[in-house]
Order: sequence, then C-alpha cells, then structure tokens
Amino acid sequence: DQQVKQNSPSLSVQEGRISILNCDYTNSMFDYFLWYKKYPAEGPTFLISISSIKDKNEDGRFTVFLNKSAKHLSLHIVPSQPGDSAVYFCAARRAGANSKLTFGKGITLSVRP
Amino acid sequence: GAGVSQSPSNKVTEKGKDVELRCDPISGHTALYWYRQRLGQGLEFLIYFQGNSAPDKSGLPSDRFSAERTGESVSTLTIQRTQQEDSAVYLCASSSVRGGERGYNEQFFGPGTRLTVL
Repeated sequence: DQQVKQNSPSLSVQEGRISILNCDYTNSMFDYFLWYKKYPAEGPTFLISISSIKDKNEDGRFTVFLNKSAKHLSLHIVPSQPGDSAVYFCAARRAGANSKLTFGKGITLSVRP
Repeated sequence: GAGVSQSPSNKVTEKGKDVELRCDPISGHTALYWYRQRLGQGLEFLIYFQGNSAPDKSGLPSDRFSAERTGESVSTLTIQRTQQEDSAVYLCASSSVRGGERGYNEQFFGPGTRLTVL
C-alpha cells in the first residue's frame, strides 16, 4: 500500500525553465512533508519541507505547495539548472510517529543545458 | 564535522549467509534510523532508535532482521540467512531531537550500503 505516490518516474526540462515535481498521498494523518534530493552513490539530502498548516514554503529557487484537500504537493524549481539533475523523493511524517518518514519512489529529474 | 558514515559501501554475499552493516551517526545525534531502498522502490523504514527508549522495530520485514545501537553511537543492522529479496541499498540516517521543539528534526543520511545477495 503506497501511501506516498510519485507517479511520474522521470522528468526532463530545459535549463532555465521551471521544473514541477508532483506527489500525492493517501494518509490524512500525515502532518509534515519533505523533499529530499539524491545524487548517485550518495545518501538523500534534505531540500525543503512544509507543515500541514501551511500551503506554501519557499527557499530560494525551490518552492513547495501543499493542497490538503487534494492530498497533493508539488515542488517547483525555477530556474532549473543542470546541477539540479538528481532523484527527488517526496516524504511524509505521520503525527506522533517518532519522526519516521514514508517515502515515495522518487522522480529522476534531468535538466538539459 | 563528519556526516553519517556507513560500512561497507558494497557487500556481495551468498544466499543463506549472515551479514552485518554498520552505521556511525553524527556525533550528538540521539535519533538513528535504518531504511532500505530496493530497486525501483522508495525508501522503506526499517527501525528507529531514540536515546534509551525501546526501538521502534515496526518496519523490520522479518525476524531475520535485527539491529542494535550502543548508547547514542554506532548501530549495526544484521540480516541472518540472507535471501535474494534482501538485495537493496541500506541507508542509515540520524537526527538531533531536542525536547520541546516544534516541527521536524532533519534526518541526515549516510551514503548507504549496497547489498547484493547471489
């Protein structure tokens, strides 16, 4: 039972354009959402997060949007850069769950120069 | 300061053998997590340690899997009688959990151990 779903396995965008990575979830008990970025042969690194009491969080080129009614969040990267090419994981935490995270399968983003 | 380290980086073993994976968390981090990522899948929670509390073992897939942590330092994940479906990248993460703080405490991941069971 996949509680965090990243339905698109890959995305390719042109450098300078916007990248939009989508994530859906099914568990209404999730209260915190995170995006992690992973390069080959490295562990995931934290990118940006959002609490369920907010609908938007922005950090430089990265913005995460949360639509609770639709159980949907998205990560926007603008402008996209070749160094952004990586696997992006959406993750969620259930309230009171000792901070353990439930991850999606990841999206491979390729930014073309 | 040093990040989370894991050893070995790669392990190839034969079906039925036992393996032991090691994780050195960031110094001072009280929380430690083990995840695994099988091919084409997301990260799957295995076990969580927090200080002296009883670990949360709810993610361990079978009784062949066990983990220990010495105080607030090194952790080892042991897989007994390995099976081919155990092949995955095993990731360790640590975080600093400070009492009374709202919000999320970022988990810092190690590079993982790639386990291949032949």
